Amino acid sequence: QKEVEQNSGPLSVPEGAIASLNCTYSDRGSQSFFWYRQYSGKSPELIMSIYSNGDKEDGRFTAQLNKASQYVSLLIRDSQPSDSATYLCAVSKTGANNLFFGTGTRLTVIP
Amino acid sequence: GAGVSQSPSNKVTEKGKDVELRCDPISGHTALYWYRQSLGQGLEFLIYFQGNSAPDKSGLPSDRFSAERTGGSVSTLTIQRTQQEDSAVYLCASSPTLGAFFGQGTRLTVV
Repeated sequence: QKEVEQNSGPLSVPEGAIASLNCTYSDRGSQSFFWYRQYSGKSPELIMSIYSNGDKEDGRFTAQLNKASQYVSLLIRDSQPSDSATYLCAVSKTGANNLFFGTGTRLTVIP
Repeated sequence: GAGVSQSPSNKVTEKGKDVELRCDPISGHTALYWYRQSLGQGLEFLIYFQGNSAPDKSGLPSDRFSAERTGGSVSTLTIQRTQQEDSAVYLCASSPTLGAFFGQGTRLTVV
């Protein structure tokens, strides 16, 4: 079983819609959760972090964490074509701090 | 500079040659990671350094790969006797405690 799993997509949404990206993880001891955005040909960029159950909002982005279900999601409101990228979920385990990445979900926002 | 710096940006080498890839992390970051990413694929973990602790080498794909981190700062990833399957983008990231920030990567092409 992979440490972190994501639907590879591609996920297509129209401009202005909400994009919902999902991630599950296998280790219940995981404590820290991150979302990265990677444009084609570029390095991953950290866009959101979440450590507690519930929602965390930053501008158009909302991260949601449910530790009981071992589930992390990223919502992008009012999606823009510039949001088109691959979104990577990353998880850090307690005591190790190693970062485990999912394979990413490719998002396309259609103008 | 303020970010993670990797050199060279691009490296073309002949099969069988050794290569060294360099990473200058963000000053003060105690953790340093190496990943590689093949075209269209996710991030493959290679090695993780945390302070003065023994590195986590569990991701190194073979004994041709090695890495060191001198003085808790600069890191060098060495690939001996390169093979064509080593062609990928090698990404370095550093972290203060939680989350990680990536360099621009080194694109390695083995011909």
